[in-house]
Amino acid sequence: DGGITQSPKYLFRKEGQNVTLSCEQNLNHDAMYWYRQDPGQGLRLIYYSQIVNDFQKGDIAEGYSVSREKKESFPLTVTSAQKNPTAFYLCASSIGLNWLAGPVVPETQYFGPGTRLLVL
Amino acid sequence: GQQVMQIPQYQHVQEGEDFTTYCNSSTTLSNIQWYKQRPGGHPVFLIQLVKSGEVKKQKRLTFQFGEAKKNSSLHITATQTTDVGTYFCAGFDRGSTLGRLYFGRGTQLTVWP
Repeated sequence: DGGITQSPKYLFRKEGQNVTLSCEQNLNHDAMYWYRQDPGQGLRLIYYSQIVNDFQKGDIAEGYSVSREKKESFPLTVTSAQKNPTAFYLCASSIGLNWLAGPVVPETQYFGPGTRLLVL
Repeated sequence: GQQVMQIPQYQHVQEGEDFTTYCNSSTTLSNIQWYKQRPGGHPVFLIQLVKSGEVKKQKRLTFQFGEAKKNSSLHITATQTTDVGTYFCAGFDRGSTLGRLYFGRGTQLTVWP
């Protein structure tokens, strides 16, 4: 069954603790993304990766770190430097930029079910 | 920098009424995508518009891309309770940083039976 999975569904973080959110996809997609969602804020991009071993900062990367060692995995670490981490975190993947279709058009993003992070 | 503004933030309608959400970009977009997120769920892709002035329909949903490719709208005719959720637009500008979409803040639709 193909798709994108995130774990855990709920995660609790203590003060000063780093936590890692998992994101795995078996869609053979090149591109992966991490978004943070707060009520009324929409989707804010944290980090994204177009290819293995490469990633770029999004709009709110401070206090977060990522790695992309495998095509199917893009874990997000919320570090102790992120002072307000309580939010809903969404991972997404897409085939990647469709360079062969003439004008460059990004493909559909497929979202995982999300992880809710709460601070104790 | 690139910005995609979406209005209204909230919309409450009686079942059977129409609903429209609007997106505006500060720059010309290469394409725009629309997503729907049900309460407690994750965003799901609805449609992508690429051409200037393009209009696409999905049953009661009508999507438009402006002639200047700087604005877009989603119109739902005769809303149903199943339409409840948050609708996001997401624009792509190939002249900006590669590979990322710029999401609007979304419009949260509530439908009263």
